[in-house]
Amino acid sequence: AQSVTQPDIHITVSEGASLELRCNYSYGATPYLFWYVQSPGQGLQLLLKYFSGDTLVQGIKGFEAEFKRSQSSFNLRKPSVHWSDAAEYFCAVTSDSNYQLIWGAGTKLIIKP
Amino acid sequence: DAGVIQSPRHEVTEMGQEVTLRCKPISGHNSLFWYRQTMMRGLELLIYFNNNVPIDDSGMPEDRFSAKMPNASFSTLKIQPSEPRDSAVYFCASSPRMNTEAFFGQGTRLTVV
Repeated sequence: AQSVTQPDIHITVSEGASLELRCNYSYGATPYLFWYVQSPGQGLQLLLKYFSGDTLVQGIKGFEAEFKRSQSSFNLRKPSVHWSDAAEYFCAVTSDSNYQLIWGAGTKLIIKP
Repeated sequence: DAGVIQSPRHEVTEMGQEVTLRCKPISGHNSLFWYRQTMMRGLELLIYFNNNVPIDDSGMPEDRFSAKMPNASFSTLKIQPSEPRDSAVYFCASSPRMNTEAFFGQGTRLTVV
Protein backbone atom coordinates (compact mmCIF):
# COMPACT_ATOMS: atom_id res chain seq x y z
CA ALA A 1 0.00 0.00 0.00
CA GLN A 2 1.10 3.54 -0.67
CA SER A 3 2.03 5.41 2.47
CA VAL A 4 4.10 8.23 3.88
CA THR A 5 5.62 8.04 7.35
CA GLN A 6 6.81 10.98 9.37
CA PRO A 7 8.23 9.25 12.44
CA ASP A 8 8.40 12.34 14.65
CA ILE A 9 5.13 13.83 15.85
CA HIS A 10 6.93 16.70 17.59
CA ILE A 11 10.46 18.04 17.33
CA THR A 12 11.93 20.76 19.55
CA VAL A 13 14.93 22.70 18.30
CA SER A 14 16.75 25.72 19.68
CA GLU A 15 16.69 28.86 17.61
CA GLY A 16 19.77 28.94 15.41
CA ALA A 17 20.27 25.20 15.51
CA SER A 18 20.07 22.92 12.49
CA LEU A 19 16.96 20.95 11.65
CA GLU A 20 16.19 17.67 9.96
CA LEU A 21 12.64 16.35 9.59
CA ARG A 22 12.27 12.77 8.45
CA CYS A 23 9.99 11.43 5.75
CA ASN A 24 9.85 7.86 4.50
CA TYR A 25 7.55 6.63 1.78
CA SER A 26 6.29 3.35 0.46
CA TYR A 27 5.27 3.70 -3.16
CA GLY A 28 5.28 1.33 -6.10
CA ALA A 29 5.87 3.85 -8.85
CA THR A 30 8.50 6.53 -9.34
CA PRO A 31 7.59 9.05 -6.66
CA TYR A 32 7.04 12.76 -6.91
CA LEU A 33 7.74 14.19 -3.46
CA PHE A 34 6.68 17.36 -1.67
CA TRP A 35 7.13 19.18 1.61
CA TYR A 36 4.48 21.59 2.84
CA VAL A 37 4.37 23.87 5.89
CA GLN A 38 1.27 24.87 7.83
CA SER A 39 1.35 27.75 10.26
CA PRO A 40 -1.42 27.94 12.88
CA GLY A 41 -4.74 28.93 11.35
CA GLN A 42 -3.32 28.87 7.83
CA GLY A 43 -3.47 26.67 4.79
CA LEU A 44 -0.65 24.47 3.61
CA GLN A 45 2.16 26.17 1.72
CA LEU A 46 4.51 24.33 -0.61
CA LEU A 47 8.14 24.46 0.55
CA LEU A 48 9.74 22.35 -2.17
CA LYS A 49 9.17 19.49 -4.58
CA TYR A 50 11.10 16.72 -6.27
CA PHE A 51 10.16 15.18 -9.60
CA SER A 52 13.47 14.06 -11.09
CA GLY A 53 17.06 15.10 -11.61
CA ASP A 54 19.28 16.46 -8.87
CA THR A 55 18.34 14.65 -5.68
CA LEU A 56 19.07 17.69 -3.51
CA VAL A 57 16.34 20.25 -3.99
CA GLN A 58 16.19 23.78 -2.69
CA GLY A 59 13.00 25.38 -1.50
CA ILE A 60 11.68 28.56 -0.04
CA LYS A 61 12.56 29.96 3.39
CA GLY A 62 16.04 28.39 3.29
CA PHE A 63 14.83 24.77 3.33
CA GLU A 64 16.27 21.92 1.32
CA ALA A 65 15.46 18.22 0.99
CA GLU A 66 17.35 15.22 -0.28
CA PHE A 67 15.76 12.32 -2.13
CA LYS A 68 17.40 8.99 -1.32
CA ARG A 69 15.84 6.24 -3.40
CA SER A 70 17.76 3.46 -1.64
CA GLN A 71 16.34 4.55 1.70
CA SER A 72 12.91 5.60 0.40
CA SER A 73 13.42 8.89 2.17
CA PHE A 74 12.96 12.57 1.49
CA ASN A 75 14.22 14.38 4.58
CA LEU A 76 13.81 18.11 5.03
CA ARG A 77 16.70 20.19 6.35
CA LYS A 78 17.51 23.72 7.36
CA PRO A 79 20.95 24.81 8.63
CA SER A 80 19.69 27.38 11.12
CA VAL A 81 16.08 27.67 12.27
CA HIS A 82 14.30 30.88 13.16
CA TRP A 83 11.42 31.30 15.60
CA SER A 84 9.15 31.94 12.62
CA ASP A 85 9.77 28.36 11.43
CA ALA A 86 7.58 27.04 14.24
CA ALA A 87 4.77 25.27 12.37
CA GLU A 88 3.62 21.85 11.26
CA TYR A 89 5.40 20.22 8.35
CA PHE A 90 3.85 17.67 6.01
CA CYS A 91 5.51 15.34 3.54
CA ALA A 92 3.48 14.07 0.56
CA VAL A 93 3.97 11.78 -2.43
CA THR A 94 2.30 11.12 -5.75
CA SER A 95 3.29 9.74 -9.15
CA ASP A 96 2.53 10.16 -12.83
CA SER A 97 -0.18 7.51 -12.54
CA ASN A 98 -1.95 9.04 -9.54
CA TYR A 99 -3.93 12.22 -9.17
CA GLN A 100 -3.91 12.52 -5.43
CA LEU A 101 -1.23 13.31 -2.90
CA ILE A 102 -0.60 10.74 -0.18
CA TRP A 103 0.09 12.63 3.03
CA GLY A 104 2.20 12.00 6.09
CA ALA A 105 0.70 12.72 9.50
CA GLY A 106 2.83 15.80 9.97
CA THR A 107 5.63 16.87 12.32
CA LYS A 108 5.10 19.80 14.64
CA LEU A 109 8.23 21.91 14.99
CA ILE A 110 8.71 23.78 18.26
CA ILE A 111 11.45 26.41 18.52
CA LYS A 112 13.14 27.06 21.86
CA PRO A 113 14.37 30.60 22.36
CA ASP B 1 -2.70 35.78 -8.56
CA ALA B 2 -4.80 35.86 -5.40
CA GLY B 3 -4.40 32.15 -4.83
CA VAL B 4 -7.19 29.80 -3.86
CA ILE B 5 -9.97 31.72 -2.15
CA GLN B 6 -12.29 30.09 0.35
CA SER B 7 -15.29 31.50 2.12
CA PRO B 8 -16.29 31.83 4.82
CA ARG B 9 -13.14 31.61 6.94
CA HIS B 10 -15.15 30.63 9.99
CA GLU B 11 -18.61 29.15 10.29
CA VAL B 12 -20.51 28.31 13.44
CA THR B 13 -23.82 26.58 12.96
CA GLU B 14 -26.32 24.54 14.89
CA MET B 15 -26.71 20.84 14.43
CA GLY B 16 -29.19 20.05 11.67
CA GLN B 17 -28.53 23.20 9.69
CA GLU B 18 -27.25 23.25 6.13
CA VAL B 19 -23.71 24.50 5.62
CA THR B 20 -22.20 25.59 2.30
CA LEU B 21 -18.50 26.15 1.87
CA ARG B 22 -17.21 27.96 -1.19
CA CYS B 23 -14.00 27.84 -3.19
CA LYS B 24 -12.53 29.80 -6.07
CA PRO B 25 -9.52 27.94 -7.50
CA ILE B 26 -6.53 29.53 -9.18
CA SER B 27 -7.33 30.54 -12.73
CA GLY B 28 -6.12 27.99 -15.26
CA HIS B 29 -5.95 25.12 -12.79
CA ASN B 30 -7.95 22.11 -13.93
CA SER B 31 -7.77 19.99 -10.77
CA LEU B 32 -9.63 20.81 -7.57
CA PHE B 33 -9.58 19.02 -4.25
CA TRP B 34 -11.63 19.30 -1.07
CA TYR B 35 -9.89 18.17 2.10
CA ARG B 36 -10.94 17.92 5.73
CA GLN B 37 -8.41 18.30 8.56
CA THR B 38 -8.95 17.17 12.13
CA MET B 39 -6.63 16.39 15.00
CA MET B 40 -7.76 12.79 15.10
CA ARG B 41 -7.71 11.92 11.40
CA GLY B 42 -5.28 14.44 9.94
CA LEU B 43 -5.74 15.54 6.34
CA GLU B 44 -8.40 13.57 4.45
CA LEU B 45 -9.24 13.91 0.77
CA LEU B 46 -13.00 14.24 0.38
CA ILE B 47 -13.41 14.70 -3.37
CA TYR B 48 -11.38 15.39 -6.49
CA PHE B 49 -12.56 17.23 -9.60
CA ASN B 50 -10.79 17.30 -12.94
CA ASN B 51 -12.04 19.77 -15.56
CA ASN B 52 -15.10 20.39 -13.37
CA VAL B 53 -16.03 16.69 -13.33
CA PRO B 54 -16.02 14.72 -10.06
CA ILE B 55 -13.49 11.95 -10.52
CA ASP B 56 -13.25 10.46 -7.05
CA ASP B 57 -15.71 11.10 -4.25
CA SER B 58 -14.83 8.01 -2.24
CA GLY B 59 -13.65 10.18 0.63
CA MET B 60 -17.01 11.87 1.13
CA PRO B 61 -18.03 10.50 4.51
CA GLU B 62 -21.78 10.26 4.06
CA ASP B 63 -24.68 11.23 1.85
CA ARG B 64 -25.00 14.33 3.96
CA PHE B 65 -21.97 15.66 2.10
CA SER B 66 -22.17 16.83 -1.50
CA ALA B 67 -19.88 18.86 -3.73
CA LYS B 68 -20.37 20.63 -7.02
CA MET B 69 -18.21 22.43 -9.52
CA PRO B 70 -20.53 24.23 -11.93
CA ASN B 71 -17.65 25.95 -13.73
CA ALA B 72 -13.88 26.22 -13.69
CA SER B 73 -13.84 29.09 -11.23
CA PHE B 74 -16.19 27.93 -8.50
CA SER B 75 -16.89 24.94 -6.30
CA THR B 76 -19.06 24.29 -3.26
CA LEU B 77 -19.07 21.70 -0.52
CA LYS B 78 -22.41 21.30 1.20
CA ILE B 79 -23.28 19.49 4.40
CA GLN B 80 -26.95 18.87 5.04
CA PRO B 81 -27.84 18.27 7.80
CA SER B 82 -24.72 19.17 9.74
CA GLU B 83 -23.63 17.27 12.86
CA PRO B 84 -21.14 18.11 15.63
CA ARG B 85 -18.72 15.48 14.32
CA ASP B 86 -18.43 17.47 11.10
CA SER B 87 -16.53 20.15 13.02
CA ALA B 88 -13.16 20.48 11.30
CA VAL B 89 -11.13 22.70 9.02
CA TYR B 90 -12.10 22.25 5.38
CA PHE B 91 -9.55 23.08 2.72
CA CYS B 92 -9.93 23.58 -0.97
CA ALA B 93 -6.85 23.14 -3.15
CA SER B 94 -6.23 23.46 -6.85
CA SER B 95 -3.55 22.18 -9.16
CA PRO B 96 -2.54 23.08 -12.71
CA ARG B 97 -2.65 19.43 -13.71
CA MET B 98 -2.70 15.94 -12.30
CA ASN B 99 0.40 14.63 -10.46
CA THR B 100 1.79 17.93 -9.38
CA GLU B 101 1.65 20.16 -6.35
CA ALA B 102 -1.62 21.45 -4.95
CA PHE B 103 -2.13 25.04 -3.87
CA PHE B 104 -4.25 25.41 -0.78
CA GLY B 105 -6.73 28.01 0.34
CA GLN B 106 -6.75 29.38 3.88
CA GLY B 107 -9.46 26.95 4.91
CA THR B 108 -12.87 27.22 6.52
CA ARG B 109 -13.07 26.37 10.20
CA LEU B 110 -16.47 24.79 10.75
CA THR B 111 -17.95 24.40 14.20
CA VAL B 112 -21.25 22.59 14.57
CA VAL B 113 -22.85 23.01 17.99
